[in-house]
Amino acid sequence: ELKVEQNPLFLSMQEGKNYTIYCNYSTTSDRLYWYRQDPGKSLESLFVLLSNGAVKQEGRLMASLDTKARLSTLHITAAVHDLSATYFCAVGTSFGNEKLTFGTGTRLTIIP
Amino acid sequence: DAGVIQSPRHEVTEMGQEVTLRCKPISGHNSLFWYRQTMMRGLELLIYFNNNVPIDDSGMPEDRFSAKMPNASFSTLKIQPSEPRDSAVYFCASSSRTGSSYEQYFGPGTRLTVT
Repeated sequence: ELKVEQNPLFLSMQEGKNYTIYCNYSTTSDRLYWYRQDPGKSLESLFVLLSNGAVKQEGRLMASLDTKARLSTLHITAAVHDLSATYFCAVGTSFGNEKLTFGTGTRLTIIP
Repeated sequence: DAGVIQSPRHEVTEMGQEVTLRCKPISGHNSLFWYRQTMMRGLELLIYFNNNVPIDDSGMPEDRFSAKMPNASFSTLKIQPSEPRDSAVYFCASSSRTGSSYEQYFGPGTRLTVT
């Protein structure tokens, strides 16, 4: 059974600082996704990572994937308050199967 | 595009009543997913359909839950009878097989409260 672990679960950081959220998964996968969820809202897709070494960046967020280590990271650069949200990683099991397993989420709070 | 549409957005019902949640996927998407989100259990996949056919229903908690997709533009998730432990936010998501992405797009969710 595929298990997806995120850490930390909670993260408070000051504006302007850098930090990284980690996503580990237990079995081979060819697809990894990052989503953002604001309180009381739905999930918004941020990044899709489909190959080893894939790196994608959008604004102050950068995601990377190391399939050999079964690890993805979401790096936040010079955090701003607008980035406060819960971030989820989700892992696909195998090609042809669209099922995703979600991590527990990381609740990020940016403090002015 | 209107995105994934869910109704109702909020539902409050009494234990024992039947509850029906509805979902309209993004036009052209051929896969549809039902998820449940709670503080205790996080985000769980209940069932997913491809081309209107149920592919994986291993996450459906028990026989009180059923889901249908009679056509490409409509799906329902039914709970009968409902129980307080069913209280959660239920999300519908859809995707299409564009390349190998399978990126899922989520609806706004239905917040269900069973008293």
